Amino acid sequence: NAGVTQTPKFRILKIGQSMTLQCTQDMNHNYMYWYRQDPGMGLKLIYYSVGAGITDKGEVPNGYNVSRSTTEDFPLRLELAAPSQTSVYFCASSGPTGMGTDTQYFGPGTRLTVL
Amino acid sequence: DQQVKQNSPSLSVQEGRISILNCDYTNSMFDYFLWYKKYPAEGPTFLISISSIKDKNEDGRFTVFLNKSAKHLSLHIVPSQPGDSAVYFCAAINNNDMRFGAGTRLTVKP
Repeated sequence: NAGVTQTPKFRILKIGQSMTLQCTQDMNHNYMYWYRQDPGMGLKLIYYSVGAGITDKGEVPNGYNVSRSTTEDFPLRLELAAPSQTSVYFCASSGPTGMGTDTQYFGPGTRLTVL
Repeated sequence: DQQVKQNSPSLSVQEGRISILNCDYTNSMFDYFLWYKKYPAEGPTFLISISSIKDKNEDGRFTVFLNKSAKHLSLHIVPSQPGDSAVYFCAAINNNDMRFGAGTRLTVKP
């Protein structure tokens, strides 16, 4: 049982480049989330999804896009990378009752540097 | 706006003693609170939670206390073990809005 997997683990981008961070979960969870964690700070919610085809903004959505075409996958897209997007990105998933009342399971993170 | 604050960036305790990690929040609409534990190079893992209708929740060595009037929660670990050394995040939720504190690095010395 792999849980939540994220790829890549590390990436360096140049300003203006684009990339997609991949996230897959094998627990058949309805809810999926993307967070970023800046140094010395807590996690901040970027986007979340309550099921395939449904996504919603979190606290810091600007500069990112998401899609949810399947239950398993929730990719995060950066279109024009900026140094302010240098961060560690975590994907998470949880069961049908959603945020809080269902435990969120986190992936290992993607460390992104934009130069 | 920092709605959830962990004012102690680090805490060091002796093995076997109690660890007390604190968290303050400003938004009275938060109705669910959680603690996560994070090891280096790993994602956070859920530890314990508490609903706003309760003031205490216990799970083995871990107890979370909630003081709604003071907008304060704390995590007690008794007895502390070296394997508890990690960064601990508190989080608060209101209607799909989840906010995290900046974390407290706990070091348990043998």
